[in-house]
Amino acid sequence: GENVEQHPSTLSVQEGDSAVIKCTYSDSASNYFPWYKQELGKRPQLIIDIRSNVGEKKDQRIAVTLNKTAKHFSLHITETQPEDSAVYFCAASIDFGNEKLTFGTGTRLTIIP
Amino acid sequence: EAGVTQSPTHLIKTRGQQATLRCSPISGHTSVYWYQQALGLGLQFLLWYDEGEERNRGNFPPRFSGRQFPNYSSELNVNALELEDSALYLCASSGGASSKNIQYFGAGTRLSVL
Repeated sequence: GENVEQHPSTLSVQEGDSAVIKCTYSDSASNYFPWYKQELGKRPQLIIDIRSNVGEKKDQRIAVTLNKTAKHFSLHITETQPEDSAVYFCAASIDFGNEKLTFGTGTRLTIIP
Repeated sequence: EAGVTQSPTHLIKTRGQQATLRCSPISGHTSVYWYQQALGLGLQFLLWYDEGEERNRGNFPPRFSGRQFPNYSSELNVNALELEDSALYLCASSGGASSKNIQYFGAGTRLSVL
């Protein structure tokens, strides 16, 4: 089955700097890669996703890149703000998301004011 | 539009008992997914229901079961509870013309097994 590895497990960056979180997946059939943000005590919320037919997607300060050959994808957050502090999870799925999500173990991002 | 709702918020049981967790999907969504989030771990896939049928099952023992009702709400049952079943159980829903298979999560049920 699919296996998703996520690094780093914790990340601290100065406010205003950029943060990068990386994930690798094992199943070449995976074609949908969402990123979820989970604030303390709250539900996971989708922040951005990418399908395998594109290599990069941006939404304001957030971007995701996908390298299908190497089977890895990354989340980039620029101009970080204190409200970006949370746990971020990457995930992978086949059938463009019409299936279970296999999650990474999460990255706890702390923005230092 | 209401989001995914789960009940109860918290559930305390003793070892060997049974637990029942409930989930109401977003209106118009036909798929319901259940995930277990143990402390310090990621989300582990448990079960997927769509149109009343079980579509996929994660690597969990048979004492984890569930069902989906005609109104697409779902129930997760955990029999013969063990201490390691203590976790946050999250439900997600997807489906409908505009959702593009995005899974929207509920706030979860925190199950504590004593």
